[in-house]
Amino acid sequence: DTEVTQTPKHLVMGMTNKKSLKCEQHMGHRAMYWYKQKAKKPPELMFVYSYEKLSINESVPSRFSPECPNSSLLNLHLHALQPEDSALYLCASSQDTAEFYGYTFGSGTRLTVV
Amino acid sequence: DAKTTQPPSMDCAEGRAANLPCNHSTISGNEYVYWYRQIHSQGPQYIIHGLKNNETNEMASLIITEDRKSSTLILPHATLRDTAVYYCIVRVVVNDMRFGAGTRLTVKP
Repeated sequence: DTEVTQTPKHLVMGMTNKKSLKCEQHMGHRAMYWYKQKAKKPPELMFVYSYEKLSINESVPSRFSPECPNSSLLNLHLHALQPEDSALYLCASSQDTAEFYGYTFGSGTRLTVV
Repeated sequence: DAKTTQPPSMDCAEGRAANLPCNHSTISGNEYVYWYRQIHSQGPQYIIHGLKNNETNEMASLIITEDRKSSTLILPHATLRDTAVYYCIVRVVVNDMRFGAGTRLTVKP
């Protein structure tokens, strides 16, 4: 299995809703990432998990809450989002940082906040 | 991480080689050059990376100048499916890859 699987592919949520994005990989990668991408802009790094521990938080608002329950799974919990949070949310994974083999990205979850 | 400069857009004829330049004049000795591409509505895809030597794989070739201040990604026979945004990223091997604006390559029939 050489893929990163993200679910759902599309999500519409109200500003008072609570929802979660899910990301899964079975490549044995020990680093996992969340990126946010607005239309016609490059992906922006949000969070990095290394060996299931949060290692980087790019000053992301607390309405975004990441979780890494095990080495194969990464979640992004969403609460009280704003319309400007509408974007494509991308998950990626990579091998241990000691060696580099390239990031593998999922196809993303397209989130619309209404 | 060193800053990279790429042209915002380029066109290429189908079947011809696409040569995408990247300037990284402030690159340091332990920084690698990575290339990714993003086809519309998909996640970015790793293409190739290198440190000093030129590299080639099944997707592309990477040519790095001797002073390492610039590089060129070469797609030898571009197809319509190669239309995408191409990102050149310079960084050490740590887990915090950040994307610049990239080059939007359009392959035309």
